[in-house]
Amino acid sequence: GAVVSQHPSWVICKSGTSVKIECRSLDFQATTMFWYRQFPKQSLMLMATSNEGSKATYEQGVEKDKFLINHASLTLSTLTVTSAHPEDSSFYICSAREPGNTEAFFGQGTRLTVV
Amino acid sequence: LAKTTQPISMDSYEGQEVNITCSHNNIATNDYITWYQQFPSQGPRFIIQGYKTKVTNEVASLFIPADRKSSTLSLPRVSLSDTAVYYCLVGDRGSTLGRLYFGRGTQLTVWP
Repeated sequence: GAVVSQHPSWVICKSGTSVKIECRSLDFQATTMFWYRQFPKQSLMLMATSNEGSKATYEQGVEKDKFLINHASLTLSTLTVTSAHPEDSSFYICSAREPGNTEAFFGQGTRLTVV
Repeated sequence: LAKTTQPISMDSYEGQEVNITCSHNNIATNDYITWYQQFPSQGPRFIIQGYKTKVTNEVASLFIPADRKSSTLSLPRVSLSDTAVYYCLVGDRGSTLGRLYFGRGTQLTVWP
């Protein structure tokens, strides 16, 4: 199946700093990618849809100025958590769907810890 | 999007068949049913997808009754490595373009 890769797998940052997470589709082009957040023992929550060459679409309740999304190429989307605080500590996961394929492929996730 | 209801947890022993049922009473005509598996600290992995009757692949089977208001994921002869959270999702696989709304999922624990 198609491969979606995230980097880094885990990151620790100080409160108030910004952190960038990368999501790459390794063997296919993805005009659309998706970002999810998952807190411990909870389900995945869709945060936003990343659109190549245009603005991201955010789900209700997700702050677009805090979670900056850039989809500059057909294989790369980035999520930047700005001015991170401890409550932003979570597991962030991206996904993409290969054109013509009905299943979504997920990255391995990024564990963000804000101290 | 149709809401799904699954058991929060299930337990099984190695070698047994496990059936996880998902209720989706408000499923729309264009909706498909998709199941994902998630291990701790990993992204979900696609298991199977179906629209009606029965679908089988090398990993699982999916049974969907005629009214499509529920579905059952069947895992044959589970092993310890099948311990994971299983999510049932319902949606129009065309228009959603990959936007997925996850429910609480079912924590399956397989014991030796």
